[in-house]
Formats: sequence, structure tokens, C-alpha cells
Amino acid sequence: DTGVSQNPRHKITKRGQNVTFRCDPISEHNRLYWYRQTLGQGPEFLTYFQNEAQLEKSRLLSDRFSAERPKGSFSTLEIQRTEQGDSAMYLCASSPEVFGSGTRLTVV
Amino acid sequence: GIQVEQSPPDLILQEGANSTLRCNFSDSVNNLQWFHQNPWGQLINLFYIPSGTKQNGRLSATTVATERYSLLYISSSQTTDSGVYFCAVEAGANNLFFGTGTRLTVIP
Repeated sequence: DTGVSQNPRHKITKRGQNVTFRCDPISEHNRLYWYRQTLGQGPEFLTYFQNEAQLEKSRLLSDRFSAERPKGSFSTLEIQRTEQGDSAMYLCASSPEVFGSGTRLTVV
Repeated sequence: GIQVEQSPPDLILQEGANSTLRCNFSDSVNNLQWFHQNPWGQLINLFYIPSGTKQNGRLSATTVATERYSLLYISSSQTTDSGVYFCAVEAGANNLFFGTGTRLTVIP
């Protein structure tokens, strides 16, 4: 597989629950990005990894959000104590221009 | 952060028609990209165009960096061109700033 893979594709969760998403980037790409896209808007930057180092975090990434990239390979994005405002599409990109299909989160 | 504005917000075309989408940005940029987001949410890079003109089949793009705008031309539109077109700029930081997109609907 030569693309960026994200799992799950869809996630429905109850408010207050924790959720975790996974991104598998293109293997030779050492840069990885997370974005969030709400309905009718363009994607907004959340965080950026160079290999395993998390080099930038947006102010959108509240303390309920945490991202990791152990060993510089796949990455996970965890949201704790989900709120209805967290409902969005979460996109992962490998290098600035190759995006995964996203994980659509719905918090009910 | 840098402001990215796209126009028009919505566009409906008859199949075979041509169109021009515009992107204005508020500051100097290192790079500019055009993306197409299909109805399933997948973002596909169309052009990587910090300046000048590029063509790819029925699509072409022009960026005039000194005047802070870019144009995407779609000729002989097809129903498969439907979706949302995003302009995204890179301005020194390791992430992209996206516009709010132009939603294109091509009707047969």
C-alpha cells in the first residue's frame, strides 16, 4: 500500500469517553501531520511530527488531546473526555501533500 | 496566522463548461497547493504551485505571488470534477493553512 492509511474510518462515541485514532503514513516519509476538519470548513492544523519528535502543536490541541509517534512510524491521536465540539473529520498527512481518507468522529 | 480566502464559495456548472476558482492570501508564502476533496472526504493534491503556471490535462493553475493570489482553471468540466476545491498555503511554519473551499457541482 503506497498511501496514507487511517483507522477507523468512522467512530461514534458518547460524550465523556476517550477515543484513539491511528495513522500509518507512507513508509519513506518522515513528516506526519494531523488536521481537523469541521463541516463546511477547510482542514485546520493540529500537530506535526518529524520522525518521532513532535515539533509543533496548534493552540487547537487542548490538554484533552495527545498525539504520539513512537519509533517514527505510525501515529496515534487520542482525545480524552470527548465533547460534542470534538465532532469532526480528523485527517492525517504524510509530508504536506499526501492525505489519508480521515476518521470521522461523532460525539453523541 | 495567514488568511486564505477562496471564491466563489459555491459553483454549479453544466457538464462541458469551464470555470475559474480564485484564492487570495494575506501574506508572503513559501508554497501554495490546490487540493480536490471528493465526496468521500479524500483530499488529493492537484498542484504544488508557489508561482507561475502549471497544467495537468483539463486543469491548470496560476499563482502570482507578488499579488498574493492563485487561480485554478477547470476546462470541459465533468461530473467527476464535483467536490470541494481547497487552496492551502505554507508560510514558514511546518503546516498548511487552508481556505474554506469552493464547492463545485457539475450537472450532466
